[in-house]
Amino acid sequence: KQEVTQIPAALSVPEGENLVLNCSFTDSAIYNLQWFRQDPGKGLTSLLLIQSSQREQTSGRLNASLDKSSGRSTLYIAASQPGDSATYLCAPHTGNQFYFGTGTSLTVIP
Amino acid sequence: NAGVTQTPKFRVLKTGQSMTLLCAQDMNHEYMYWYRQDPGMGLRLIHYSVGEGTTAKGEVPDGYNVSRLKKQNFLLGLESAAPSQTSVYFCASSATLRLTEAFFGQGTRLTVV
Repeated sequence: KQEVTQIPAALSVPEGENLVLNCSFTDSAIYNLQWFRQDPGKGLTSLLLIQSSQREQTSGRLNASLDKSSGRSTLYIAASQPGDSATYLCAPHTGNQFYFGTGTSLTVIP
Repeated sequence: NAGVTQTPKFRVLKTGQSMTLLCAQDMNHEYMYWYRQDPGMGLRLIHYSVGEGTTAKGEVPDGYNVSRLKKQNFLLGLESAAPSQTSVYFCASSATLRLTEAFFGQGTRLTVV
């Protein structure tokens, strides 16, 4: 069974900082990996999808990297803003489902 | 531009009662999923469907049933609710199983007392 770990569990940074969120997974036989954002009491919003053959994917201030062989992905957020405050979830896709970690709770302080 | 819509958004049930959660997607996606989210745990897959008329068990299927009579709808049923089923339920859909992103609904917060 795929196990997903996200470090750190919580992060608080001042506005404007660049930051890195880490995701590790135990089964490297993934098809793709998706990063999501979840606001309190809300659903999941897709941020980036990285196919297993890709190393990197970018969307605006977000950049996600994938090292499938070592079971790691990172989400880089540039010039953080208070509106980035949310929980970030990574979900590697293995077999017939996405597996989720418990996320990193991010607070960006104005 | 609805995407994935879940009904209802909130519900309180008494132990032993039954209910059905409805998920509707307007993106013509083949694949649909039901997940539950509990504090301190990642989302866990309950059941999924790879197309109209098909369903399959996920990681935590006990106590739930599902049906996919129409491509756009995926129903999750609780026949006899238990307090352990208190959770937030999320529906998701994707165009393909392995190449495209999944889209999630806003969730249903269910409390069983």
